[in-house]
Amino acid sequence: QQQVKQSPQSLIVQKGGISIINCAYENTAFDYFPWYQQFPGKGPALLIAIRPDVSEKKEGRFTISFNKSAKQFSLHIMDSQPGDSATYFCAAKGADTGRRALTFGSGTRLQVQP
Amino acid sequence: DAGVIQSPRHEVTEMGQEVTLRCKPISGHDYLFWYRQTMMRGLELLIYFNNNVPIDDSGMPEDRFSAKMPNASFSTLKIQPSEPRDSAVYFCASSLRGTGFMNTEAFFGQGTRLTVV
Repeated sequence: QQQVKQSPQSLIVQKGGISIINCAYENTAFDYFPWYQQFPGKGPALLIAIRPDVSEKKEGRFTISFNKSAKQFSLHIMDSQPGDSATYFCAAKGADTGRRALTFGSGTRLQVQP
Repeated sequence: DAGVIQSPRHEVTEMGQEVTLRCKPISGHDYLFWYRQTMMRGLELLIYFNNNVPIDDSGMPEDRFSAKMPNASFSTLKIQPSEPRDSAVYFCASSLRGTGFMNTEAFFGQGTRLTVV
């Protein structure tokens, strides 16, 4: 019930291409879905987040698409750049009730080739 | 604010020794989380506190692990005795409870890389 499943494990994209990372969850009590970005030697940092009352959220080149009925959400990185090379984690948690800690996916290592 | 501060950044210890990891959360945050990151298991929640009180410690792997939060500005994670399989990067994070959307963000420290030999 607490799991968040993430794919792919690794991804290689050419500069300027679109990177797509997918996640699925089981717990319908989750109502906050962030994506975190982690560079080597650093802690994860919030990239973008969405609530399930919207189907899409865009911030610059980063977009979250959310499908509540399928319990799936994805991160799209448009015009991918070498500086986007990092590990990306999807996550989920409940808000005012239940477990307040983030449950993370297994991570996707993205490499953007110049 | 300097963000979440963890110490030490790196720790190498011998099997059987006691290890203490330290965390200073962001001032005013009332949630504190300890996570462990390994290649095999990813980011796992170990324990989290709300207003200095442990809320969920179901992720603590064994009795060898213990965590305390004596006040709002300090927490420790202790492993006694340490074992090679405890080698990992340990992250501390903090957040506000908040009712606003962005107040749920968890801010992570830079982590402590623990190596038990």
